[in-house]
Amino acid sequence: QSVLTQPPSVSGAPGQRVTISCTGSSSNIGAGYDVHWYQQLPGTAPKLLIYGNSNRPSGVPDRFSASKSGTSASLAITGLQTEDEADYYCQSYDNSLRALFGGGTTLTVL
Amino acid sequence: EVQLVESGGSLVQPGGSLRLSCAASGFTFSRNSMNWVRQAPGRGLEWVSYISTGSNAIYYADSVKGRFTISRDNAKNSLSLQMNNLRAEDTAVYYCAREASGRGDFDYWGQGTLVTVSS
Repeated sequence: QSVLTQPPSVSGAPGQRVTISCTGSSSNIGAGYDVHWYQQLPGTAPKLLIYGNSNRPSGVPDRFSASKSGTSASLAITGLQTEDEADYYCQSYDNSLRALFGGGTTLTVL
Repeated sequence: EVQLVESGGSLVQPGGSLRLSCAASGFTFSRNSMNWVRQAPGRGLEWVSYISTGSNAIYYADSVKGRFTISRDNAKNSLSLQMNNLRAEDTAVYYCAREASGRGDFDYWGQGTLVTVSS
């Protein structure tokens, strides 16, 4: 069981907006550590989607956005496209400076 | 272009050993901390180990501490993971991942190498 909690799955129709939550605690996200998000398409390695809570690397569409508040973070995807079907993971750190991943959320585009 | 290429994965018996390697290119390897992250079949990502640029700081997940050893050779642009006393639960795809300088995210990943622990 992951220390960072994500919903196992979310779904939405093309064009809709979905959000994925990442809930931690006072010893990780709530301690001030940044949250990062990754997208893993089927059969491929993870890809950085958001870094530093809300920053997009070059090449990531602005349909992807994220925020952090208190002990939680969330990823929002607007204008859903079929190519967005993937697993999404949040990542942060704990007070022992060890990286933590959320359990992952599978996005299905209906 | 940043490239990370893992190798060394294979089928190994419980209690056995294996050494994974990650060849880095396209960036100044000595300037980035590096990590190993694994993913068991059908499961999520699990961070395994971290090594700082000069190997001064090394961390392990509790699940592998005492059995795995991370190392790097900056002259050869290479990252390694020595895995001893392997267990069935170590079966996974192992990724090496570059840590973005000063940020804590993993900005580049290799394609992964599969380790299967089974008799």
